[in-house]
Amino acid sequence: EVQLVESGGGLVKPGGSLRLSCVASGFTFSNAWMTWVRQAPGKGLEWVGRIKSKTDGGTTDYAAPVKGRFTISRDDSKNTLYLQMNSLQTEDTALYYCTTRDGCYDWGQGTRVTVSS
Amino acid sequence: QSVLTQPPSVSGAPGQRVTISCTGRSSNIGAGYDVYWYQQQLPGTAPKLLIYANSNRPSGVPDRFSGSKSGTSASLAITGLQAEDEADYYCQSYDTSLSGRVFGGGTKLTVL
Repeated sequence: EVQLVESGGGLVKPGGSLRLSCVASGFTFSNAWMTWVRQAPGKGLEWVGRIKSKTDGGTTDYAAPVKGRFTISRDDSKNTLYLQMNSLQTEDTALYYCTTRDGCYDWGQGTRVTVSS
Repeated sequence: QSVLTQPPSVSGAPGQRVTISCTGRSSNIGAGYDVYWYQQQLPGTAPKLLIYANSNRPSGVPDRFSGSKSGTSASLAITGLQAEDEADYYCQSYDTSLSGRVFGGGTKLTVL
């Protein structure tokens, strides 16, 4: 059974940084493309970005609102996906989900990020 | 405003059939990219994949749910509507002009 457990969320001031983690189990993590999706309070789903498997180049792509501020990385030895978020803005306040593959097949329960002064 | 347009809400009585549209452009659905559908029963809870690659159901998803795609649009159909189907539904695809994935704005389904 696929399990994705996000952590690292919390309250941070505008301009601050936060690193989210997602520990995966139940599948071969090193072969998987992984995606971050967020949902602001009362809003819809928003694609944040994706990282390919190392065998497929390990490259990343990001949504325009986070490009240059967020970085997705992975540690296949720890079955862990990361989202480094810098220069956080109030608009980044959301529930952040870790998902598998480009099509977002499996989802974690999310970790909440609140950006507020 | 999402590049994938969904109606904000749809409704139907138990047992009825409803459809939810997802209208895209030549840079996403019209370019041949696959469409995915998700169900989110409560805001703040993890969405669930309902349909992948336009019309395929993951194991465990009832065959009351079906997906289709034509031109620059896709649709999710739900037959034999049940109270438990009341949820938010989202479509998703890839967009070449954005070089990334996009979600539709979501549709709230109300079972009357």
